Amino acid sequence: DAKTTQPNSMESNEEEPVHLPCNHSTISGTDYIHWYRQLPSQGPEYVIHGLTSNVNNRMASLAIAEDRKSSTLILHRATLRDAAVYYCIRIISNFGNEKLTFGTGTRLTIIP
Amino acid sequence: KAGVTQTPRYLIKTRGQQVTLSCSPISGHRSVSWYQQTPGQGLQFLFEYFSETQRNKGNFPGRFSGRQFSNSRSEMNVSTLELGDSALYLCASSLEGQGWEKLFFGSGTQLSVL
Repeated sequence: DAKTTQPNSMESNEEEPVHLPCNHSTISGTDYIHWYRQLPSQGPEYVIHGLTSNVNNRMASLAIAEDRKSSTLILHRATLRDAAVYYCIRIISNFGNEKLTFGTGTRLTIIP
Repeated sequence: KAGVTQTPRYLIKTRGQQVTLSCSPISGHRSVSWYQQTPGQGLQFLFEYFSETQRNKGNFPGRFSGRQFSNSRSEMNVSTLELGDSALYLCASSLEGQGWEKLFFGSGTQLSVL
């Protein structure tokens, strides 16, 4: 089955950039990469998504490797509110059925 | 605008029973998808409904089923409950669901099977 792997945890100092990696070595050309984050006792919250090229929005940037086997979520200036579990998600298309495959999630701790 | 509403918030059932969970999407959203979250397996996709039809599905057994009504509200049913079905069940809604654009999640229903 398709695997999407992420480090279990990461720490970063407040107001510094954070790079959260995701490996999706079996990705196909049509699989989108999405990132969500989840705070305690809440449902996940959308962060960003992309297919091939790098993407930016007001929350973060998404850098996708040229071979698409990995991607990196970049938080440009971490704040305490960014402490959450971050999930990398692949959208896998197979014979007309699309399925979301979640990574194991990275727990991001922000140090004041 | 009200967010995605899931009811009930907590539920306790015993093995062999069945359970129905409810999800009210954001007004105007037509796609509703369901997810299971456990400490062991993490987040897993169950299925997605659009215009009262199941459009996409994950790898769960037939005991897990769902439906969507004409007002886009959705229900998920689990029959013959097993201990391993204890989990947080999340639903999410989006406008059209094309390309899985931005999903809005509810806070979930915590199901405990005894």
